Amino acid sequence: SQQGEEDPQALSIQEGENATMNCSYKTSINNLQWYRQNSGRGLVHLILIRSNEREKHSGRLRVTLDTSKKSSSLLITASRAADTASYFCATDARGNNRLAFGKGNQVVVIP
Amino acid sequence: SQTIHQWPATLVQPVGSPLSLECTVEGTSNPNLYWYRQAAGRGLQLLFYSVGIGQISSEVPQNLSASRPQDRQFILSSKKLLLSDSGFYLCAWSPGQATNEKLFFGSGTQLSVL
Repeated sequence: SQQGEEDPQALSIQEGENATMNCSYKTSINNLQWYRQNSGRGLVHLILIRSNEREKHSGRLRVTLDTSKKSSSLLITASRAADTASYFCATDARGNNRLAFGKGNQVVVIP
Repeated sequence: SQTIHQWPATLVQPVGSPLSLECTVEGTSNPNLYWYRQAAGRGLQLLFYSVGIGQISSEVPQNLSASRPQDRQFILSSKKLLLSDSGFYLCAWSPGQATNEKLFFGSGTQLSVL
């Protein structure tokens, strides 16, 4: 089954720096989504980008999608300690229409 | 507004014992409902999803079963737990007919089978 794969797996940055995570997938998709998970909690939806979109912004978040390379990136600008969490990408597969999640990116923002 | 409730938050069960995890959604009707499992340090694995009452689809063969007795109630069960059933279980819902749109997750149940 299709699955997004995030890269790098763990990231440690200073507060105020930008954090960038990448996600690759294998087959054609309808949309790609990013979620955040605080330790021991459920996932929270951050942003959805459709296959015909190339870039999307939401507050300090910027997501890009390159369907030719089957990859997406999530940029968190001016990071804060509260951004410390695991970030997951999720993709659907055309004809499947169910989300498959990657293994997640752990981000630690040091105050 | 819509809310999702999942309980219990933590559960420790002996091998061979039964399991029942419950999830309910409020503030919406005819939601799509999902059960995911998350092993430590890993991504989410879709176990079951349901697009309507009594309609359950299983994604992977396993020791678990799911039921949807009411529109906004989704139950994950097992007759006899295995050690490998340990994990973090997440219930989620999504609106509408599509099952590939935004998901809203519950707070999760940490299950330890000993």
